[in-house]
Amino acid sequence: AQTVTQSQPEMSVQEAETVTLSCTYDTSESDYYLFWYKQPPSRQMILVIRQEAYKQQNATENRFSVNFQKAAKSFSLKISDSQLGDAAMYFCAYRSRTSGTYKYIFGTGTRLKVLA
Amino acid sequence: DTGVSQDPRHKITKRGQNVTFRCDPISEHNRLYWYRQTLGQGPEFLTYFQNEAQLEKSRLLSDRFSAERPKGSFSTLEIQRTEQGDSAMYLCASSLETGRNYGYTFGSGTRLTVV
Repeated sequence: AQTVTQSQPEMSVQEAETVTLSCTYDTSESDYYLFWYKQPPSRQMILVIRQEAYKQQNATENRFSVNFQKAAKSFSLKISDSQLGDAAMYFCAYRSRTSGTYKYIFGTGTRLKVLA
Repeated sequence: DTGVSQDPRHKITKRGQNVTFRCDPISEHNRLYWYRQTLGQGPEFLTYFQNEAQLEKSRLLSDRFSAERPKGSFSTLEIQRTEQGDSAMYLCASSLETGRNYGYTFGSGTRLTVV
């Protein structure tokens, strides 16, 4: 069974600085998707960025980028130029691309605090 | 389209009562998912539908839980004989996965408190 681990329960960053959130996962599959979701205090989860495992190029979305290390099974999220609105819970998630299931497996989340 | 809607936002119920939650997905999305999230944890998969067919159920979905998606539109999640351990946020999500278009759109959730 696949697992997703986020070892940082809480992180803090100064406004305008850069922060990296860690995520590791375990799977025996070779083809899958990885996601980062943001959950602000209003609780609606929002997709931040996604990565297809067969792509070597790291995904980027504006100030958000990932460092995808397939062999190490690591998928970290870098937030550049942090803004107060980035404060939220961040969840890493895994989805198989080959097993016929569409369910996500989430990590336990990292709470990001942005300091003014 | 206003996104995924869930109703109610909050529900307080006495132990042993039945509760039903509703989810209205994005209209063109053919897949609908239910997750449960407890405090300090990530969402845990409960079940998902493709159109009106329930294709996968988690072992978390005991026989007190039932979900339906009649006509492939909105979905309901019912919990019978609620227990205090059922207290959680119940999240609904929908998706339309074609080609490069993948990823969920989540609703705001229904927070259930069993007293």
